[in-house]
Amino acid sequence: DTEVTQTPKHLVMGMTNKKSLKCEQHMGHRAMYWYKQKAKKPPELMFVYSYEKLSINESVPSRFSPECPNSSLLNLHLHALQPEDSALYLCASSQGGGVYYGYTFGSGTRLTVV
Amino acid sequence: GENVEQHPSTLSVQEGDSAVIKCTYSDSASNYFPWYKQELGKRPQLIIDIRSNVGEKKDQRIAVTLNKTAKHFSLHITETQPEDSAVYFCAASPRSNDYKLSFGAGTTVTVRA
Repeated sequence: DTEVTQTPKHLVMGMTNKKSLKCEQHMGHRAMYWYKQKAKKPPELMFVYSYEKLSINESVPSRFSPECPNSSLLNLHLHALQPEDSALYLCASSQGGGVYYGYTFGSGTRLTVV
Repeated sequence: GENVEQHPSTLSVQEGDSAVIKCTYSDSASNYFPWYKQELGKRPQLIIDIRSNVGEKKDQRIAVTLNKTAKHFSLHITETQPEDSAVYFCAASPRSNDYKLSFGAGTTVTVRA
Protein backbone atom coordinates (compact mmCIF):
# COMPACT_ATOMS: atom_id res chain seq x y z
CA ASP A 1 0.00 0.00 0.00
CA THR A 2 1.64 3.21 -1.17
CA GLU A 3 -1.19 5.60 -0.46
CA VAL A 4 -2.30 8.12 2.08
CA THR A 5 -6.08 7.91 2.49
CA GLN A 6 -8.12 10.87 3.68
CA THR A 7 -11.76 10.97 4.69
CA PRO A 8 -14.13 12.56 4.05
CA LYS A 9 -13.35 13.89 0.56
CA HIS A 10 -15.75 16.80 0.99
CA LEU A 11 -17.11 18.43 4.12
CA VAL A 12 -19.51 21.31 4.63
CA MET A 13 -19.83 22.54 8.18
CA GLY A 14 -21.39 25.42 10.03
CA MET A 15 -19.39 27.75 12.22
CA THR A 16 -20.76 26.15 15.38
CA ASN A 17 -20.17 22.55 14.31
CA LYS A 18 -17.53 20.11 15.48
CA LYS A 19 -16.09 17.76 12.89
CA SER A 20 -12.98 15.66 12.34
CA LEU A 21 -10.78 14.88 9.36
CA LYS A 22 -9.09 11.52 9.20
CA CYS A 23 -5.86 10.41 7.55
CA GLU A 24 -4.44 6.89 7.32
CA GLN A 25 -1.27 5.37 5.86
CA HIS A 26 0.17 1.87 5.97
CA MET A 27 3.60 2.53 4.49
CA GLY A 28 5.37 2.44 7.85
CA HIS A 29 6.05 6.17 7.64
CA ARG A 30 6.77 7.70 11.03
CA ALA A 31 6.21 11.37 10.17
CA MET A 32 2.75 12.69 9.33
CA TYR A 33 1.69 16.19 8.38
CA TRP A 34 -1.34 18.43 8.03
CA TYR A 35 -1.29 21.09 5.33
CA LYS A 36 -3.85 23.70 4.33
CA GLN A 37 -4.08 24.75 0.69
CA LYS A 38 -6.02 27.58 -0.90
CA ALA A 39 -6.77 27.49 -4.63
CA LYS A 40 -3.64 27.81 -6.83
CA LYS A 41 -1.48 28.53 -3.78
CA PRO A 42 1.22 26.30 -2.33
CA PRO A 43 0.40 24.07 0.63
CA GLU A 44 0.93 25.71 4.02
CA LEU A 45 2.26 23.55 6.81
CA MET A 46 0.06 23.33 9.91
CA PHE A 47 1.33 20.45 12.05
CA VAL A 48 3.97 17.73 12.02
CA TYR A 49 3.91 14.54 14.04
CA SER A 50 7.11 12.56 14.31
CA TYR A 51 6.94 9.13 15.94
CA GLU A 52 3.43 9.99 17.18
CA LYS A 53 4.62 13.13 18.97
CA LEU A 54 3.70 16.65 17.90
CA SER A 55 6.97 18.18 16.75
CA ILE A 56 5.83 21.25 14.82
CA ASN A 57 2.82 23.53 15.29
CA GLU A 58 3.00 26.44 12.88
CA SER A 59 1.10 28.78 15.22
CA VAL A 60 -2.22 27.34 14.09
CA PRO A 61 -5.36 28.70 15.84
CA SER A 62 -6.70 26.46 18.60
CA ARG A 63 -9.90 25.81 16.65
CA PHE A 64 -7.74 23.24 14.82
CA SER A 65 -6.66 20.38 17.08
CA PRO A 66 -4.48 17.53 15.76
CA GLU A 67 -4.31 14.05 17.17
CA CYS A 68 -2.11 11.07 16.34
CA PRO A 69 -3.64 7.95 17.96
CA ASN A 70 -1.02 5.60 16.46
CA SER A 71 1.68 5.49 13.81
CA SER A 72 -0.83 4.94 10.99
CA LEU A 73 -3.54 7.44 11.89
CA LEU A 74 -3.74 11.20 12.02
CA ASN A 75 -6.84 13.22 12.87
CA LEU A 76 -7.63 16.90 12.68
CA HIS A 77 -10.45 18.03 14.95
CA LEU A 78 -12.31 21.15 13.88
CA HIS A 79 -14.39 23.42 16.08
CA ALA A 80 -15.86 26.91 15.67
CA LEU A 81 -14.26 27.45 12.28
CA GLN A 82 -14.53 30.62 10.24
CA PRO A 83 -15.47 30.95 6.54
CA GLU A 84 -11.84 31.85 5.77
CA ASP A 85 -10.86 28.36 6.94
CA SER A 86 -12.50 26.94 3.83
CA ALA A 87 -9.70 25.21 1.91
CA LEU A 88 -8.28 21.89 0.82
CA TYR A 89 -6.76 20.10 3.81
CA LEU A 90 -3.98 17.76 2.84
CA CYS A 91 -2.41 15.04 4.91
CA ALA A 92 1.07 13.81 4.04
CA SER A 93 3.50 11.26 5.36
CA SER A 94 7.21 10.59 5.05
CA GLN A 95 9.78 8.22 6.43
CA GLY A 96 10.93 8.90 9.98
CA GLY A 97 13.95 10.84 8.79
CA GLY A 98 11.72 13.60 7.54
CA VAL A 99 11.15 15.31 4.23
CA TYR A 100 14.52 14.30 2.79
CA TYR A 101 12.96 11.07 1.61
CA GLY A 102 9.97 12.74 -0.01
CA TYR A 103 6.37 13.30 1.01
CA THR A 104 3.37 11.29 -0.06
CA PHE A 105 0.26 13.46 -0.05
CA GLY A 106 -3.28 12.25 0.43
CA SER A 107 -5.99 13.40 -1.97
CA GLY A 108 -7.29 15.88 0.56
CA THR A 109 -10.53 16.95 2.20
CA ARG A 110 -12.21 19.93 0.60
CA LEU A 111 -13.71 21.86 3.50
CA THR A 112 -16.37 24.53 3.17
CA VAL A 113 -17.34 26.53 6.25
CA VAL A 114 -20.75 28.22 5.99
CA GLY B 1 13.92 30.72 7.33
CA GLU B 2 14.15 29.42 3.79
CA ASN B 3 12.59 31.55 1.05
CA VAL B 4 11.86 30.01 -2.36
CA GLU B 5 10.97 32.15 -5.36
CA GLN B 6 9.46 30.58 -8.48
CA HIS B 7 9.12 31.99 -12.00
CA PRO B 8 7.15 32.34 -14.13
CA SER B 9 3.77 32.28 -12.41
CA THR B 10 2.06 31.20 -15.65
CA LEU B 11 3.45 29.49 -18.72
CA SER B 12 1.66 28.68 -21.97
CA VAL B 13 3.43 26.43 -24.47
CA GLN B 14 2.53 24.76 -27.73
CA GLU B 15 2.25 20.99 -27.60
CA GLY B 16 5.61 19.47 -28.40
CA ASP B 17 7.61 22.48 -27.22
CA SER B 18 9.70 22.59 -24.04
CA ALA B 19 8.77 24.24 -20.75
CA VAL B 20 11.20 25.58 -18.18
CA ILE B 21 10.40 26.69 -14.63
CA LYS B 22 13.03 28.32 -12.44
CA CYS B 23 13.35 28.57 -8.67
CA THR B 24 15.80 30.30 -6.39
CA TYR B 25 16.36 29.60 -2.71
CA SER B 26 17.93 31.61 0.07
CA ASP B 27 19.38 29.07 2.53
CA SER B 28 22.71 27.74 1.27
CA ALA B 29 22.37 24.78 3.66
CA SER B 30 19.26 23.46 1.88
CA ASN B 31 19.95 20.01 0.54
CA TYR B 32 16.76 18.56 -0.95
CA PHE B 33 14.76 20.02 -3.83
CA PRO B 34 11.53 18.27 -4.92
CA TRP B 35 9.10 19.26 -7.65
CA TYR B 36 5.37 18.61 -7.30
CA LYS B 37 2.71 18.55 -9.99
CA GLN B 38 -0.87 19.28 -9.01
CA GLU B 39 -3.67 18.76 -11.49
CA LEU B 40 -6.95 20.57 -10.94
CA GLY B 41 -8.78 19.13 -7.93
CA LYS B 42 -6.08 16.55 -7.20
CA ARG B 43 -3.25 16.03 -4.73
CA PRO B 44 0.29 17.33 -5.25
CA GLN B 45 2.39 14.52 -6.68
CA LEU B 46 6.14 14.29 -6.51
CA ILE B 47 7.44 14.13 -10.08
CA ILE B 48 11.17 14.49 -9.56
CA ASP B 49 13.61 15.52 -6.87
CA ILE B 50 17.29 16.30 -6.58
CA ARG B 51 19.71 16.33 -3.70
CA SER B 52 22.53 18.79 -3.20
CA ASN B 53 25.26 16.31 -4.12
CA VAL B 54 23.90 16.01 -7.69
CA GLY B 55 23.83 18.64 -10.44
CA GLU B 56 21.28 17.13 -12.79
CA LYS B 57 18.69 14.38 -12.81
CA LYS B 58 16.50 13.15 -15.63
CA ASP B 59 13.40 10.96 -15.82
CA GLN B 60 12.04 10.47 -19.32
CA ARG B 61 10.71 13.86 -20.46
CA ILE B 62 11.45 15.74 -17.26
CA ALA B 63 14.77 16.89 -15.88
CA VAL B 64 15.92 19.02 -12.99
CA THR B 65 19.17 20.95 -12.72
CA LEU B 66 20.70 22.41 -9.57
CA ASN B 67 23.27 25.19 -9.31
CA LYS B 68 24.35 25.34 -5.67
CA THR B 69 26.65 28.30 -6.19
CA ALA B 70 23.88 30.45 -7.63
CA LYS B 71 21.25 28.83 -5.37
CA HIS B 72 18.83 28.05 -8.14
CA PHE B 73 17.24 24.96 -9.62
CA SER B 74 15.09 24.43 -12.68
CA LEU B 75 12.53 22.00 -14.06
CA HIS B 76 12.66 21.18 -17.75
CA ILE B 77 9.81 19.40 -19.53
CA THR B 78 10.48 18.37 -23.12
CA GLU B 79 7.97 17.37 -25.81
CA THR B 80 5.09 18.76 -23.77
CA GLN B 81 1.71 17.05 -23.96
CA PRO B 82 -1.78 18.26 -22.92
CA GLU B 83 -1.59 16.06 -19.81
CA ASP B 84 1.37 18.15 -18.63
CA SER B 85 -1.08 21.02 -17.98
CA ALA B 86 -1.09 21.54 -14.21
CA VAL B 87 0.29 23.71 -11.42
CA TYR B 88 3.92 22.93 -10.64
CA PHE B 89 5.50 23.72 -7.27
CA CYS B 90 9.19 23.70 -6.48
CA ALA B 91 10.33 23.29 -2.90
CA ALA B 92 13.46 23.26 -0.77
CA SER B 93 14.26 21.60 2.50
CA PRO B 94 16.35 23.59 4.93
CA ARG B 95 18.85 21.36 6.66
CA SER B 96 18.00 23.05 9.94
CA ASN B 97 14.59 21.42 10.01
CA ASP B 98 14.24 18.14 8.21
CA TYR B 99 10.44 18.07 8.41
CA LYS B 100 9.72 21.34 6.67
CA LEU B 101 9.44 22.03 2.99
CA SER B 102 9.46 25.62 1.77
CA PHE B 103 7.34 25.83 -1.37
CA GLY B 104 7.53 28.23 -4.26
CA ALA B 105 4.37 30.10 -5.24
CA GLY B 106 3.65 27.75 -8.14
CA THR B 107 3.59 27.89 -11.94
CA THR B 108 0.41 27.24 -13.90
CA VAL B 109 1.43 25.45 -17.09
CA THR B 110 -0.99 25.28 -20.01
CA VAL B 111 -0.11 23.11 -23.01
CA ARG B 112 -1.98 24.23 -26.14
CA ALA B 113 -2.97 21.46 -28.53
